Amino acid sequence: QKEVEQNSGPLSVPEGAIASLNCTYSDRGSQSFFWYRQYSGKSPELIMFIYSNGDKEDGRFTAQLNKASQYVSLLIRDSQPSDSATYLCAVLTDRGSTLGRLYFGRGTQLTVWP
Amino acid sequence: NAGVTQTPKFQVLKTGQSMTLQCAQDMNHNSMYWYRQDPGMGLRLIYYSASEGTTDKGEVPNGYNVSRLNKREFSLRLESAAPSQTSVYFCALSRGSRDTQYFGPGTRLTVL
Repeated sequence: QKEVEQNSGPLSVPEGAIASLNCTYSDRGSQSFFWYRQYSGKSPELIMFIYSNGDKEDGRFTAQLNKASQYVSLLIRDSQPSDSATYLCAVLTDRGSTLGRLYFGRGTQLTVWP
Repeated sequence: NAGVTQTPKFQVLKTGQSMTLQCAQDMNHNSMYWYRQDPGMGLRLIYYSASEGTTDKGEVPNGYNVSRLNKREFSLRLESAAPSQTSVYFCALSRGSRDTQYFGPGTRLTVL
């Protein structure tokens, strides 16, 4: 079982719509959750992190975490063509060790068309 | 990628050649990481260094060695390159192993 699962997409939404990106994880002890955006040919760029159950909003982005369901999502409101990228979900877990390890999903490709 | 530099940006090797990928930071962060990214496979951890002088294997360490000689620099060495090591390599760093990771610009490596 993979540590972190994402729908690979592609996900295509019109400009101005809400894009919803989903991620599930296998380790119940996971503590921190991250969303990265990666443009083609570029490196991953942190968008948001979330530690607690519930919603966390930052501008047009909302991260949602449900630890009971082992589920984390990213909502992008008023999607823009510049949001077209691959979105990576990452989960920090330590498996009882003192060191944390970050596990990445394979990413969801998002296209926002004008 | 302010604060993290990777050299070279691009490299083409022949099978069996060796090379070292360099990563340097000016953010004074303790933990550094090497990932590779392949189409359809996502980011996979090769090696990491929780602090200066320590290194540990990640998910895909075979064929690689690393060196963390000081806090600023973390290098990745391919002793005998193979076509399967064709990939994009990213260095990342964080204050501690449980903190947010920030990525360098990457090195695109092709092994013929």
